[in-house]
Amino acid sequence: QKEVEQNSGPLSVPEGAIASLNCTYSDRGSQSFFWYRQYSGKSPELIMSIYSNGDKEDGRFTAQLNKASQYVSLLIRDSQPSDSATYLCAVIPVTGTYKYIFGTGTRLKVLA
Amino acid sequence: DTEVTQTPKHLVMGMTNKKSLKCEQHMGHRAMYWYKQKAKKPPELMFVYSYEKLSINESVPSRFSPECPNSSLLNLHLHALQPEDSALYLCASSQEADSDYGYTFGSGTRLTVV
Repeated sequence: QKEVEQNSGPLSVPEGAIASLNCTYSDRGSQSFFWYRQYSGKSPELIMSIYSNGDKEDGRFTAQLNKASQYVSLLIRDSQPSDSATYLCAVIPVTGTYKYIFGTGTRLKVLA
Repeated sequence: DTEVTQTPKHLVMGMTNKKSLKCEQHMGHRAMYWYKQKAKKPPELMFVYSYEKLSINESVPSRFSPECPNSSLLNLHLHALQPEDSALYLCASSQEADSDYGYTFGSGTRLTVV
């Protein structure tokens, strides 16, 4: 059973702090990794994708991938109350498949 | 146009009704998806269309019937649903199905079955 695990939270951080969201996956052959943000009652929105070990930065967001340890993380710098949402980690386990495996999501609360 | 448009946004239907959900994208994406999401749960894949052909049916009950009339349009026909089918139904698209591209999700249809 291929799995993607996230701490459901809520993860509470003060405004301006760094929020660190983590995701582990069970299939060592996984190739592609995505972070989606989902506001309550809204649809998921793609914020980051990462395919290679290391860090990938986009504005206030940094995705980190460590395939040897089978984890992917998302750092949000200078967190804002508008970042309060559920963050879904998604993994494509094998290249050539159609299917994401979603984690259950981590709820982030940024306190003003 | 970088959006996936879903209609209607909200739908209330009785268990004997027939209704349809519509999804449209004009990004030239060749893969389109239907997901179902219950509260506080991740999206669950229902169907995948690749180049207008049904590629994956995740053992979805036959009361849900997908249709892809053309490369821009995806429908989900609903008939004889149960109250437990009440959920947020999400359409998504990506450039190709068997690729590493992320998905663009529509805003969803909030379905309530009474």
